Amino acid sequence: DAGITQSPRHKVTETGTPVTLRCHQTENHRYMYWYRQDPGHGLRLIHYSYGVKDTDKGEVSDGYSVSRSKTEDFLLTLESATSSQTSVYFCAISPQGARVNTEAFFGQGTRLTVV
Amino acid sequence: GQQVMQIPQYQHVQEGEDFTTYCNSSTTLSNIQWYKQRPGGHPVFLIQLVKSGEVKKQKRLTFQFGEAKKNSSLHITATQTTDVGTYFCAGPRRSGGYQKVTFGTGTKLQVIP
Repeated sequence: DAGITQSPRHKVTETGTPVTLRCHQTENHRYMYWYRQDPGHGLRLIHYSYGVKDTDKGEVSDGYSVSRSKTEDFLLTLESATSSQTSVYFCAISPQGARVNTEAFFGQGTRLTVV
Repeated sequence: GQQVMQIPQYQHVQEGEDFTTYCNSSTTLSNIQWYKQRPGGHPVFLIQLVKSGEVKKQKRLTFQFGEAKKNSSLHITATQTTDVGTYFCAGPRRSGGYQKVTFGTGTKLQVIP
């Protein structure tokens, strides 16, 4: 398995509180992604990064922010958690984005419950 | 919204039966990837297709990329219980000068022993 670690693996938080999820990689890959997975929706891209301090929005970015101050770390922050953000969050990394002859490696996932 | 659609969303098959999932894109794709996610696990890369009309095989799995590079399929021959999971296709989507990976909605396969 690729060197990618998500923390925490499970979290229960209250509505309105801030939450930060961390993705750490040891592969020195340029691209990092945050997805959320919900039944019937597959994997939806929240934000992604194509380099240190270079980030862009995905298709479901509202309510989320990200930061990447080092190659190896990509943080996802829910500024004020809502119940609709209850989901399983996956971080993924890839060396060359979506180009030919590259693949994405996924972390183990973080199960977040907002009560 | 998502540009890559998959059908069916769910499929139950008897062990030994064949299974096919289809992936359709509204735009031409430079390449398409397939991933498998076991229950409780994370997606794992299976294969990438690049050329128009390309067909690749991995044991009982056959992957096809359409001639127009807008659709793809994954066919499993004689399913086994180890095939249980959700299968995703994924295609690149350009945003500015960068390409991000966009996943389909997935097909959840259940194999009945």
